Amino acid sequence: DVKVTQSSRYLVKRTGEKVFLECVQDMDHENMFWYRQDPGLGLRLIYFSYDVKMKEKGDIPEGYSVSREKKERFSLILESASTNQTSMYLCASGTSGRATDTQYFGPGTRLTVL
Amino acid sequence: GQNIDQPTEMTATEGAIVQINCTYQTSGFNGLFWYQQHAGEAPTFLSYNVLDGLEEKGRFSSFLSRSKGYSYLLLKELQMKDSASYLCAVRPPYGQNFVFGPGTRLSVLP
Repeated sequence: DVKVTQSSRYLVKRTGEKVFLECVQDMDHENMFWYRQDPGLGLRLIYFSYDVKMKEKGDIPEGYSVSREKKERFSLILESASTNQTSMYLCASGTSGRATDTQYFGPGTRLTVL
Repeated sequence: GQNIDQPTEMTATEGAIVQINCTYQTSGFNGLFWYQQHAGEAPTFLSYNVLDGLEEKGRFSSFLSRSKGYSYLLLKELQMKDSASYLCAVRPPYGQNFVFGPGTRLSVLP
């Protein structure tokens, strides 16, 4: 079974703090994604990566950065957390092989910024 | 532009059949996915359609009409454990990104 793990299930930070969210997958997938999920808005793509050290902006990259130094690990960084970044953050991974290939999601990190 | 629409909430009775609709307007199309997400958990893959028609998988079926930009997920013989959010996602023709709809929260009542 594919396993995608995220470093924390719940996180509480203060405005202005630097926040790191870590994601690790064990299936040697090329592609990794960071989404945020908010009620009524669904999943919105923040950043994705299709290879080590490669990154692409998604739909809402402002206020975020990412790092992919190893194939299995994709980190999301909030340089200076703000209250509007309070959300559920979901990491996903997938392959590039076929159009039928799905994405596999981690359990999510619920981040609260006070 | 890309837009995917789903009803926000639905309620159904245990043992019944429910149909969750998804309409999409996207610049290109390379497949439509349905995911199930229980509260506090990760979305999990349910089904995939790329050609018009019905795909059946046990109690769950998914239908696609590309000309109408329309899909539905059909759940039969509803069980209490089917209470969850159901996410519709479209894969554009290039790249591996998905565009997700807002999700439909289904409540199954006894």
